[in-house]
Amino acid sequence: DVQLVESGGALVQPGGSLRLSCVTSGFTFSNFWMHWVRQAPGKGLMWVSRINSDGSSTSYADSVRGRFSISRDNAKKTLYLEMNSLRAEDTAVYYCARMADFWGQGTLVTVSA
Amino acid sequence: DIVLTQTPLSSLVTLGQAASISCRSSQSLLHSDGNTYLSWLQQRPGQPPRLLIYKISQRLSGVPDRFSGSGAGTDFTLKINRVEAEDVGVYYCMQGTQFHSFGQGTKLEIK
Repeated sequence: DVQLVESGGALVQPGGSLRLSCVTSGFTFSNFWMHWVRQAPGKGLMWVSRINSDGSSTSYADSVRGRFSISRDNAKKTLYLEMNSLRAEDTAVYYCARMADFWGQGTLVTVSA
Repeated sequence: DIVLTQTPLSSLVTLGQAASISCRSSQSLLHSDGNTYLSWLQQRPGQPPRLLIYKISQRLSGVPDRFSGSGAGTDFTLKINRVEAEDVGVYYCMQGTQFHSFGQGTKLEIK
């Protein structure tokens, strides 16, 4: 079975940093583009970032470009999201997704003083 | 950026009746490869999103045939026939033609 398991969410102060991880199994990770999508409390879905299968190409939403960095380790079948200069508006559940057929359960990031 | 606009934002449906959700794109979702990357996802309360339909009308394996998608270009529709209690949740359209973006979501409730 395909599984995506996110971790790393936490309460962090504004301006702080966090690194999210998404460990995958059940499919050939290195063959697929991967994405991060977030959902603020009570709000809709927002695409955050994507990375191609070998990690050579990345894209970001305007609201996170320059602050967030997506990466992957194909040997470890793991996707990452490095988040810097965090703001209150980054508070959300962050989902790892093999767009769009498989999603993780999400990890909660709370940015608050 | 491609903006997706869903209507209605909320739908109250009687069990066994049909529901319809519209998704309008700010520009054509026809990709240069000939495909239209418009999908529909369901998010039940407390759950991650679940893909129902991709490329306008292709149902994912295991999705009941009560769910159907249609449309072209900039206008798309998700129809749910014979609504059941398990269909309660929020439905999102999503485009993957130019990066990715989502509609605002439509909350489906049962009368």
